[in-house]
Amino acid sequence: AQSVTQLGSHVSVSEGALVLLRCNYSSSVPPYLFWYVQYPNQGLQLLLKYTSAATLVKGINGFEAEFKKSETSFHLTKPSAHMSDAAEYFCAVSEWTDKLIFGTGTRLQVFP
Amino acid sequence: DGGITQSPKYLFRKEGQNVTLSCEQNLNHDAMYWYRQDPGQGLRLIYYSQIVNDFQKGDIAEGYSVSREKKESFPLTVTSAQKNPTAFYLCASSIGPSTEQFFGPGTRLTVL
Repeated sequence: AQSVTQLGSHVSVSEGALVLLRCNYSSSVPPYLFWYVQYPNQGLQLLLKYTSAATLVKGINGFEAEFKKSETSFHLTKPSAHMSDAAEYFCAVSEWTDKLIFGTGTRLQVFP
Repeated sequence: DGGITQSPKYLFRKEGQNVTLSCEQNLNHDAMYWYRQDPGQGLRLIYYSQIVNDFQKGDIAEGYSVSREKKESFPLTVTSAQKNPTAFYLCASSIGPSTEQFFGPGTRLTVL
């Protein structure tokens, strides 16, 4: 079965600093991969998705992620953090059957 | 505007009572999902449905029931058999299995 691991349940950065949220997956076939963001007491919003086209995927709010097959990784980055980026972020992988598998989430804090 | 609606936003119930959470989508999606979210545990899949009049148990189906009589509606009933029902419940839909899911705003259920 496919799985996804998010390293670090909490990440703290200063405003203007690089954001790096880590996601590793296990899959025996090329997966589809997703990053979602969740603000407090709200649903999840899709940030970006990888569907076997370009390995560098650009999403909303200045985020991007790079698919690295050799490392089975799909890390999320943003060059300069903004206070409004403070939220919880979820990585997900498709199981090629009937559902997505979500990671346990990483809470991003941004300090002024 | 197309989207997913969940009602109510906040719900309070007494212990031992069944309660039904509403989920409606006008995206013409075939697949719909229910997740439970608890602090620090990410998303856990309760039930999902890929087509009308059919649904499957997810990872934590005990104490819950669903129906899928219409394509746009996927209500979740939290029964008195659910031992710890207080949680944030999220509904999602997708065009098909393994594609990106679109989430509703969630319902926070508190059992007193």
